[in-house]
Amino acid sequence: GDSVTQMEGPVTLSEEAFLTINCTYTATGYPSLFWYVQYPGEGLQLLLKATKADDKGSNKGFEATYRKETTSFHLEKGSVQVSDSAVYFCALSENGANSKLTFGKGITLSVRP
Amino acid sequence: DAMVIQNPRYQVTQFGKPVTLSCSQTLNHNVMYWYQQKSSQAPKLLFHYYDKDFNNEADTPDNFQSRRPNTSFCFLDIRSPGLGDAAMYLCATSRDGQFQGNQPQHFGDGTRLSIL
Repeated sequence: GDSVTQMEGPVTLSEEAFLTINCTYTATGYPSLFWYVQYPGEGLQLLLKATKADDKGSNKGFEATYRKETTSFHLEKGSVQVSDSAVYFCALSENGANSKLTFGKGITLSVRP
Repeated sequence: DAMVIQNPRYQVTQFGKPVTLSCSQTLNHNVMYWYQQKSSQAPKLLFHYYDKDFNNEADTPDNFQSRRPNTSFCFLDIRSPGLGDAAMYLCATSRDGQFQGNQPQHFGDGTRLSIL
């Protein structure tokens, strides 16, 4: 079945540091890939997505590129802020009716001033 | 703004006492989902509605049921809550289409359920 593997956390960075959060996936078909972010006490928000190979999703300074050859969708940001502190989930969804999200375990990012 | 609204944000119930959580959406999305999220874990899908078609996950306990009386509203009923059911419950919606998988899900802020 489908699965998503995220790097182990938590991650603690200083403000303005470079961020990389690794995500790899296993899928039977040709999935769409997503990064969701969850701030404390809130639901999940879509951060960015990519629906085909070599697509780059970007939002709020975050980027991730759909790499079919390495089955990866790593999240990057050049300069993190304290307000980026949250839990980040990588997820995939197979195309087709009644498709469902398969989530990674999530990783907690803490950014200190 | 169009959104997914969950009420209440916090719900306390007694062990074994039925409880209902509600979700409404103004996005006019065909698909609505219920997830259970325990501390430091990813959301776990309980079931979803595709229009009026109910789709239960194989490992969702019978204690959990859902109703969708119309497009805008969906309810999660827990018939006899146990201590292990204490969690955040998230509602989400998505737009259907030929390639539904590439449509993102839109989440509410969740209801945190506590069991006394």
